[in-house]
Amino acid sequence: DMKVTQMPRYLIKRMGENVLLECGQDMSHETMYWYRQDPGLGLQLIYISYDVDSNSEGDIPKGYRVSRKKREHFSLILDSAKTNQTSVYFCASSLGGSQNTLYFGAGTRLSVL
Amino acid sequence: AQKVTQTQTSISVVEKTTVTMDCVYETRDSSYFLFWYKQTASGEIVFLIRQDSYKKENATVGHYSLNFQKPKSSIGLIITATQIEDSAVYFCAMRGNNYAQGLTFGLGTRVSVFP
Repeated sequence: DMKVTQMPRYLIKRMGENVLLECGQDMSHETMYWYRQDPGLGLQLIYISYDVDSNSEGDIPKGYRVSRKKREHFSLILDSAKTNQTSVYFCASSLGGSQNTLYFGAGTRLSVL
Repeated sequence: AQKVTQTQTSISVVEKTTVTMDCVYETRDSSYFLFWYKQTASGEIVFLIRQDSYKKENATVGHYSLNFQKPKSSIGLIITATQIEDSAVYFCAMRGNNYAQGLTFGLGTRVSVFP
């Protein structure tokens, strides 16, 4: 069963705290992504990873960093979280190549107070 | 850079009828890929259907079909025989030849299906 798993599903943090969002996939997909979704702005790409230790900035990378040490696992890190990083974060994965479909995780709702 | 525009913010339909939603896109790439996704009330984002720009035939999967009008840079989604469970937000997305760019999404169209 093809699956992208995100942990945690809900998270509340205080401004200035560090945040770790984790994502796993069981499809051996080379490529993984982090998006955030905000009302009126839609889904915006934060980072893309082509494989282990091969990461590239998306459209809104400021304030975020990522880590991919295993093909099946991709982490999003917020160092010193800000209130404007309150959002729903989605992880996705796909095979390499432009034609390939992205499969999304269930999302993590992050509130930064 | 690509751009995807969905002008309809919401549509209401009666169950068992057909709903059509619009999407226009902008790209400089000669070859590109167009996708439709559905986001359910629980927040889950599910892939529905894809159209490759070099294919003339409209893609069809189950009760989803596409109306691809390449000269108009348009890719409409058609859902026939709608069910209550089709109530969701539908996103149009695209990716050009530059695989590094990820998918660019529209802002979505909320579809409400009523009995």
